[in-house]
Amino acid sequence: LAKTTQPISMDSYEGQEVNITCSHNNIATNDYITWYQQFPSQGPRFIIQGYKTKVTNEVASLFIPADRKSSTLSLPRVSLSDTAVYYCLVRPAGNTPLVFGKGTRLSVIA
Amino acid sequence: DAGITQSPRYKITETGRQVTLMCHQTWSHSYMFWYRQDLGHGLRLIYYSAAADITDKGEVPDGYVVSRSKTENFPLTLESATRSQTSVYFCASSGRDRDGYTFGSGTRLTVV
Repeated sequence: LAKTTQPISMDSYEGQEVNITCSHNNIATNDYITWYQQFPSQGPRFIIQGYKTKVTNEVASLFIPADRKSSTLSLPRVSLSDTAVYYCLVRPAGNTPLVFGKGTRLSVIA
Repeated sequence: DAGITQSPRYKITETGRQVTLMCHQTWSHSYMFWYRQDLGHGLRLIYYSAAADITDKGEVPDGYVVSRSKTENFPLTLESATRSQTSVYFCASSGRDRDGYTFGSGTRLTVV
């Protein structure tokens, strides 16, 4: 499994765009990149997943460069309710379960 | 109600007792997982199941037993609880390869 590295914590003010970058240098050809969000006292929640270039949904955008050795989760105009831990994971093909790291703790400040 | 539910939400038990944490999902998802979350360790996989009657060990299986006689249920049993098993336990399910996982609300277990 490709290992991921992401910042331990980040702070942001309300209304700003937040970009969380994750490195996965050993990503394999068939691996996807997936991100989860976890609020305090709740289970993680799937946010977005992609293979290359850009993926956008109602919550976030995911940017993946051509070499796929890193990815950036972009949260537009964050609010206090976006305070959470964000996990970057590499998703292999097949049944291999997800391995969670420690994630990035995002704190949004008023 | 549709979704994935865990019970109980909170549990306090004594060292040496057997405890079973329940997980139930209503989507007929093939895959189900048990994770534990501790401060400083993040989420760690205990056991997982790809279908009824098929289970596999994860990263930290010692002291735990699982079964999957029905697709919708995936109970986790602590055969003889120890203080080191004090943790928050999350169950999750997934329908197909590369589908996102849906997690339950968790069970906070304290072993005294």
